[in-house]
Formats: sequence, C-alpha cells, structure tokens
Amino acid sequence: KNEVEQSPQNLTAQEGEFITINCSYSVGISALHWLQQHPGGGIVSLFMLSSGKKKHGRLIATINIQEKHSSLHITASHPRDSAVYICAVAETSGSRLTFGEGTQLTVNP
Amino acid sequence: NAGVMQNPRHLVRRRGQEARLRCSPMKGHSHVYWYRQLPEEGLKFMVYLQKENIIDESGMPKERFSAEFPKEGPSILRIQQVVRGDSAAYFCASSPLQPIYNEQFFGPGTRLTVL
Repeated sequence: KNEVEQSPQNLTAQEGEFITINCSYSVGISALHWLQQHPGGGIVSLFMLSSGKKKHGRLIATINIQEKHSSLHITASHPRDSAVYICAVAETSGSRLTFGEGTQLTVNP
Repeated sequence: NAGVMQNPRHLVRRRGQEARLRCSPMKGHSHVYWYRQLPEEGLKFMVYLQKENIIDESGMPKERFSAEFPKEGPSILRIQQVVRGDSAAYFCASSPLQPIYNEQFFGPGTRLTVL
C-alpha cells in the first residue's frame, strides 16, 4: 500500500462543474502539498498546508490532520484546469516529499 | 527573482554514455532535492543536498548515480553508463536556507531519453 493514496485516478468533468480530488496518507507529516503538472510536464506548487484550509482563486485545499486526509476543490472548472494534480507529503522525519500517483483531470468545454 | 532552472530540458544519450543534469536553485535557496518520474509513474525522491553536503540519498540507485551541490555553481545529477531504464523526467526543487514546513519550488525538469 502506498503511503500517499489519491482518488480518483482519472476524472472527467464538464466546464463549470465543482471538482474534488482526495488524498489520504498513512505517515506522520509536517506539511502536505498540492501540485499541478501540465502536459509538457512542468510542475507548479498550488498549496502547502499543515492545518485547516487555504484558498487561491477558484482553488481550495483542506486538510484534516486527525483523519490524515486532504481534499483539493476546484470551483467553476475550466478546460485550462486540465492537468495532473499531485498530492505530496513532507514527513516529520525529514524533508523529502512522498508523492501520490496523481489524478488526471480533464475538463471538457 | 528567477525560478529554479534546469538544463538541458531534453537530453538524448546512447546506452553506456554519461548523462549530466544541472539544477540552479532559486536565489537564496541552499537546499536542493532531485526527483525522478519514470514513464507512466509517479514522482519518486532521489536525493536531498545542501551546499557541499549530501543530507539524504536514500532514494538514489546504488550504482551509476551520483549527485553533488558544490559551494559555487549548480547542483549536478550524474548518471554513468546509462541504460534504457534511466529514461525519465528528472525534476529538481529548491527551498530556502531554513525550509520551514518544507516548502519546495520545482524546476521545469530534464527529460532524459536513452536510445
């Protein structure tokens, strides 16, 4: 079993829909990251959070430390949101990141 | 403030050759991480370096792979005698002097193809 599990693996939505991607982890962490990887492969850091909730534009990330679970929400989705979304955790024992397998999101117009 | 720079962006090598991947961290960052993404797989940690020190190399293959981050210049990931299985995207990330909560900033990656 992976230390970081994401669901769903693939997600197709219509433009305008509300999207949720989930991440569960099994290790102690100091922080959780949500990353975005576009076709062409570059990686952009969306959020880093250790508690509560963060919002940036149409993106919202939440984390529940007790339940070891985080969610990434996209409101009013748009085709340009199509990308792979990756959850990664920084373990308390060091600085390395451990990654989920990613969620491929496709938003159709 | 330029972001994390990696070069080359694409690298083609024949089996048995050497590959050198370079990473220049963001200005003021003294921590560098290397990650590998094999085709159709997720990202995996390889090595964590500070200036002139290897902090954690637990993700590095035991043979042919080495990394350095000298006092001056970029961090280098070196792969000797490449094999087809080394074909992957290699990403570097950097974080500040005090990586509070481990915030990391990623470079664009180097895509290595071994023929």
